[in-house]
This record gives sequence, C-alpha cells and structure tokens, in this order.
Amino acid sequence: DAGVTQSPTHLIKTRGQQVTLRCSPKSGHDTVSWYQQALGQGPQFIFQYYEEEERQRGNFPDRFSGHQFPNYSSELNVNALLLGDSALYLCASSSLETQYFGPGTRLLVL
Amino acid sequence: GIQVEQSPPDLILQEGANSTLRCNFSDSVNNLQWFHQNPWGQLINLFYIPSGTKQNGRLSATTVATERYSLLYISSSQTTDSGVYFCAVQTGTSYGKLTFGQGTILTVHP
Repeated sequence: DAGVTQSPTHLIKTRGQQVTLRCSPKSGHDTVSWYQQALGQGPQFIFQYYEEEERQRGNFPDRFSGHQFPNYSSELNVNALLLGDSALYLCASSSLETQYFGPGTRLLVL
Repeated sequence: GIQVEQSPPDLILQEGANSTLRCNFSDSVNNLQWFHQNPWGQLINLFYIPSGTKQNGRLSATTVATERYSLLYISSSQTTDSGVYFCAVQTGTSYGKLTFGQGTILTVHP
C-alpha cells in the first residue's frame, strides 16, 4: 500500500513565476491538506480539500490556490512567487482524524 | 487561534538515556498527534492521542486533555531517534486544520 506521494521532490523558481505541486493520497483516503514549513519552524496549515471543495483555509493569501480531482489527488498552485515562499511544502491525507504526511516538495525561490 | 508550546526546544542525550517531551495547548482539542521529522523532512506518525495513554515499543505518550498537555516518553534512546519531534492539535471549530508546535530538536550521541 503506497503512502502519500508528492511531486516534484525539489523545485527552483524565480520571483514572479508560478508553481504547481502535486499530491496523491494514501489508498482509501478522501481528504487532502497542504502545509508550508519554513526552515526551523513547524508546518503551517494552508488549506484542506474534501469532495473536490476547499473545506478549511489557513491564513494564506489568495496567491495560494488548490484543486482536488475526482480520484482525490490534489494540486497546490502558488502565483507571483516571492522569496518568502521558499519552504518545504507538505501534503497530508486522511479519512478520519489521523493525518499522514508525504515526503514534501522543497521549493526555492530565487 | 489555539497556541501550542513544546518543551524543551533542544535536547541532547547519550544513547540509552530516557527523555520526556512536553506539549502544552491553550484550548480544548479533539485531535492530538505526535510526529517525528527525520533529517530528510519526512513527518512520521508516532501517535494519535487526543486523550489517554498509548505505547509503541520504546515510545509512549500520555495526554491529559482536562489539563491541556501531552507528554511523549522515549526510553533507551538510539541515534536513529534523532530529529525533530512535533506535537500537533486540532480543535472542534477548525476541523481538518492541525496546528503545530515549534518542535523539540532531539540529538542522540553514540
């Protein structure tokens, strides 16, 4: 049984560009959450998707948007990248309370 | 929003020693998870423990929900236990949103 998978593993972008990160949940999980983890900090909640709808959103600007597909996989899009968007982006999937995390995508904005 | 404080921020041990990590939270929670983040950034689930006590090998955890704290015990520590330990909580009004503490950085020397 594959766990949560994310792609790509690493990404380098320049300021102003747009980026799309992808996540496939664990088998049997229908809910996907996205988190941003800056260096030396705990992960910060971005948003959660369930039944292809954004169910809960953290304190992130509209530049951060997402999508969930009928197969429960999800994308995180970030527009107009800033240097401060450099971070580890983590995806988590769940079916009940427990969230399971993927390996993350390391984004560097130059 | 809910505040999560972890202590100590850093912990250095010799292999074989025992340790206790603490997580305090400022409001009632319906979800509390402990994670271990390895050097590659992967968040590994240790416990889902909104209340009560659980044990898994050398690790155990206790959450006293009425007093708003949780403890993670590591016995006979090994070098592979090194990494960052996070406590994350969810309240009834923020379904799906995990709020993380700042983490405890554990270093185990051989």
